[in-house]
Amino acid sequence: SQKIEQNSEALNIQEGKTATLTCNYTNYSPAYLQWYRQDPGRGPVFLLLIRENEKEKRKERLKVTFDTTLKQSLFHITASQPADSATYLCALDHTGTASKLTFGTGTRLQVTL
Amino acid sequence: DTEVTQTPKHLVMGMTNKKSLKCEQHMGHRAMYWYKQKAKKPPELMFVYSYEKLSINESVPSRFSPECPNSSLLNLHLHALQPEDSALYLCASSQDAAGTYQPQHFGDGTRLSIL
Repeated sequence: SQKIEQNSEALNIQEGKTATLTCNYTNYSPAYLQWYRQDPGRGPVFLLLIRENEKEKRKERLKVTFDTTLKQSLFHITASQPADSATYLCALDHTGTASKLTFGTGTRLQVTL
Repeated sequence: DTEVTQTPKHLVMGMTNKKSLKCEQHMGHRAMYWYKQKAKKPPELMFVYSYEKLSINESVPSRFSPECPNSSLLNLHLHALQPEDSALYLCASSQDAAGTYQPQHFGDGTRLSIL
């Protein structure tokens, strides 16, 4: 069956360091992958989208990579700040049904001073 | 502030009640979605509307009834819910739904509690 797993339920890092979050999937052939941020009591907020033919995408301090051979995406936040503390979700489309997103299990990132 | 507005923010209802959740967006998006999210779990897709027509129903029990009166509004009618239906219900929209790579814009949800 199809599965999307994010490396850890929680990740604690020090301010200024780079946070790296992992999204692994099995039995999928996604055309694209999205990353969202969710704060407690709020809805997810879209951050980045990467297509299957793109290796890397950047936006300010954020970088996403997509390796369709390894079936993995990495999400990096450089120079992390306490304000980056949130849950980060990866989401994949279902091949042939572009509107149907399935979310990964999420990683709760805590950035400390 | 999000561009997708959901009301009410909180709802407590008994198992025999009938209530509705409302969602509104004014971004001109033609696809709208309902998701259910339990605590510490990811959102799970329930319904997709594309150009005001229901295009995906993820085998959701009939006690949940979606409605899209126009391109800006999405309702979720609730009737005879069970305690396990207590969750955060999220609405989302995207520019369109089919064959394009569109990010989804989420509201902040309705926190539903079934007594």
